[in-house]
Amino acid sequence: LAKTTQPISMDSYEGQEVNITCSHNNIATNDYITWYQQFPSQGPRFIIQGYKTKVTNEVASLFIPADRKSSTLSLPRVSLSDTAVYYCLVSGGYQKVTFGTGTKLQVIP
Amino acid sequence: EAQVTQNPRYLITVTGKKLTVTCSQNMNHEYMSWYRQDPGLGLRQIYYSMNVEVTDKGDVPEGYKVSRKEKRNFPLILESPSPNQTSLYFCASSLWGENTGELFFGEGSRLTVL
Repeated sequence: LAKTTQPISMDSYEGQEVNITCSHNNIATNDYITWYQQFPSQGPRFIIQGYKTKVTNEVASLFIPADRKSSTLSLPRVSLSDTAVYYCLVSGGYQKVTFGTGTKLQVIP
Repeated sequence: EAQVTQNPRYLITVTGKKLTVTCSQNMNHEYMSWYRQDPGLGLRQIYYSMNVEVTDKGDVPEGYKVSRKEKRNFPLILESPSPNQTSLYFCASSLWGENTGELFFGEGSRLTVL
């Protein structure tokens, strides 16, 4: 399984764009990159998934360079309700999945 | 509504008293798994199941058992709970395939072992 490295925490002001980068140097050919969001005492919630280049949905964008050794989750114009922990997962399936400690995002008014 | 349901949501028990945390999903998912979450350690996988009667160990299986007799249910069994199993537990499910897709989580079960 590819190991991932994320910043432990980040702060951002409301209305700003936030970019959280995940490093995964040992990503395998069949691995996908998936991001989850978790609020305190709740289960993680799927945000976005991608394999290469750029993926965008209604809440976020995911940027993956050609070498796939890193990825960046972009949250446009964050609000206070985006304060949460964000996890980057790299896996070809969910057989053995480790979420790691994630990035704690604090949005400041 | 598509969901993963865990019970109980909160439980305080004593060392050695067997308990079961149930998990049920209504999405006909093949894959189910259990995680525990502890401060500073993130989410760690306990056991997972690829389908009925197919289970395997995750990263931290010691002290736990699971069974998958039906597709929708995946109970977590603590035969003899100990205080180091005090934690927040999550069950999750997903369709299985080459594309990992979305992992759906339950609301969590907070367990305290005295």
